[in-house]
Amino acid sequence: GESVGLHLPTLSVQEGDNSIINCAYSNSASDYFIWYKQESGKGPQFIIDIRSNMDKRQGQRVTVLLNKTVKHLSLQIAATQPGDSAVYFCADLHGSGNTGKLIFGQGTTLQVKP
Amino acid sequence: DAGVTQSPTHLIKTRGQQVTLRCSPKSGHDTVSWYQQALGQGPQFIFQYYEEEERQRGNFPDRFSGHQFPNYSSELNVNALLLGDSALYLCASSLGGVNSPLHFGNGTRLTVT
Repeated sequence: GESVGLHLPTLSVQEGDNSIINCAYSNSASDYFIWYKQESGKGPQFIIDIRSNMDKRQGQRVTVLLNKTVKHLSLQIAATQPGDSAVYFCADLHGSGNTGKLIFGQGTTLQVKP
Repeated sequence: DAGVTQSPTHLIKTRGQQVTLRCSPKSGHDTVSWYQQALGQGPQFIFQYYEEEERQRGNFPDRFSGHQFPNYSSELNVNALLLGDSALYLCASSLGGVNSPLHFGNGTRLTVT
């Protein structure tokens, strides 16, 4: 069946280090991927997205890499800060024209040590 | 510019009762999706509304129903509540027709006792 999975449930990093959160997906037809950050008591917050015609996209302190060959994507956070502590979800969109549904992974909890 | 707003923030209901949750989309958005998030899990897609019609549905029973109003706001109704319906219910809005990010509200925490 369709699924999106993250490699590690918890990632602990030192403040100032770079963080890498990984995600694998199973649907070869997926062509749009989104990373969300969810803090305690809040809804998921959009971080960055990438379409299947790209293999890399950069934002402010974040980079998403997409490897369609092995159906893997990653989120890199540069100079991780305490405010980055949260649960991170990757999601892929099934369907086109935004008529589809987002399939979320289980999430990776990022803990930033001061 | 208000983001996605949901009400109420918390709700406690008894098994067998019915509940209605409300959502106002982000300004300019015309599509509303509802998700259920159990503790420690990723959100699960319930359904999506566009032009006041249910456009796509996830694997949820008919006890879950919804509605979208002409102003794009939406309601989620759950009948005959079960203990297992306890979860965070998230509303997300987006622009229909184009693959674009969904913007989420902070959810309604439903507890069924």
